[in-house]
Amino acid sequence: IAGITQAPTSQILAAGRRMTLRCTQDMRHNAMYWYRQDLGLGLRLIHYSNTAGTTGKGEVPDGYSVSRANTDDFPLTLASAVPSQTSVYFCASSPGLAGSYNEQFFGPGTRLTVL
Amino acid sequence: EDQVTQSPEALRLQEGESSSLNCSYTVSGLRGLFWYRQDPGKGPEFLFTLYSAGEEKEKERLKATLTKKESFLHITAPKPEDSATYLCAVQPHNNDMRFGAGTRLTVKP
Repeated sequence: IAGITQAPTSQILAAGRRMTLRCTQDMRHNAMYWYRQDLGLGLRLIHYSNTAGTTGKGEVPDGYSVSRANTDDFPLTLASAVPSQTSVYFCASSPGLAGSYNEQFFGPGTRLTVL
Repeated sequence: EDQVTQSPEALRLQEGESSSLNCSYTVSGLRGLFWYRQDPGKGPEFLFTLYSAGEEKEKERLKATLTKKESFLHITAPKPEDSATYLCAVQPHNNDMRFGAGTRLTVKP
């Protein structure tokens, strides 16, 4: 079934540790995104990528980095996790470029707890 | 600043009791307004895109409408399976997509 897969499903992490959240899409979409979802705040964009080799910052990029080596994969790395990064993380993709008219398709999410 | 506000935060309905969810927005030029459905523990699922004031879209018991300042998601004769959180998002011309905090809908049998 075409779509977005994310791994892990959930993770408990000690503060200061490095963590990479994985995201893979098989729809050959151009743009990919990482969001965090916190209670009462809605989804907030962390980083995005329009094509392999290019990335951009979203609303809340501090403490996170991304890379886009190919069309399908878009990992999100927390270099040194802090408790405020406890959240549910969603990867998404869209056929068109970021900021265009296209709807976004979301993965199932990764629930991350930083202690 | 581009902003999206959804109301109410939570809504409880009896099965068959129609109602509407509101999404108010302020953006520096609207490229599109999106409605998503999110079930507990899952990612948002796309429902509708609206591009201009006066536009309406329908899908089963749901109808989305758009004005220059707000959008409504009308739910007609809801069923328990319509229980979910409904998210509204706006795509401004010169900024990232902005999401509202959502309305959590519960439909009791």
